Amino acid sequence: DVKVTQSSRYLVKRTGEKVFLECVQDMDHENMFWYRQDPGLGLRLIYFSYDVKMKEKGDIPEGYSVSREKKERFSLILESASTNQTSMYLCASSLLGLGRASGNTIYFGEGSWLTVV
Amino acid sequence: DQQVKQNSPSLSVQEGRISILNCDYTNSMFDYFLWYKKYPAEGPTFLISISSIKDKNEDGRFTVFLNKSAKHLSLHIVPSQPGDSAVYFCAASADSGNTPLVFGKGTRLSVIA
Repeated sequence: DVKVTQSSRYLVKRTGEKVFLECVQDMDHENMFWYRQDPGLGLRLIYFSYDVKMKEKGDIPEGYSVSREKKERFSLILESASTNQTSMYLCASSLLGLGRASGNTIYFGEGSWLTVV
Repeated sequence: DQQVKQNSPSLSVQEGRISILNCDYTNSMFDYFLWYKKYPAEGPTFLISISSIKDKNEDGRFTVFLNKSAKHLSLHIVPSQPGDSAVYFCAASADSGNTPLVFGKGTRLSVIA
């Protein structure tokens, strides 16, 4: 079974703090993603990575950065947390190319609830 | 500009009846579509997918229909069960899944016993 593990489920941080959200997957997937989920806005892509040390901006990268030093680990960094970054953050991974024939998909972690006060 | 639209934020259905969740897309390059189910405080889980070479895919109680000309897909759940109550996300990808998934805003399904 694919496992995507997000190390922190619930965090409360102060405005201006630097925040690290860690994600590890155990299936040797090339692709890793960070999404945030907000009520009424669905899942929005923040950053993704197709390979080690590689990163691409998603739809809402402002205020975030990422790090992928090892294939299995993808970290999301909030350099200076703000209250509008209070959200549920979801990490996901997939094989390179979802593949129409295989029915491959991306696998999500349990989510990290971040509250910035 | 929303590329994947789920225009119904919520849907209530009686147990045993059919649930139909709809999704529209605007990007004609999308060729792979997926549905995810999400319970509160959990990550989304994959439910069913369909590629653009098909117009229907079935898996047990779940069937996805794709109408490419209308850029519309729907998820049918028959019969609906209380455990199906969750938020359902429609997602799409171009290039046979080689580009990141684009998600709709989700539809909250409530199945009433």
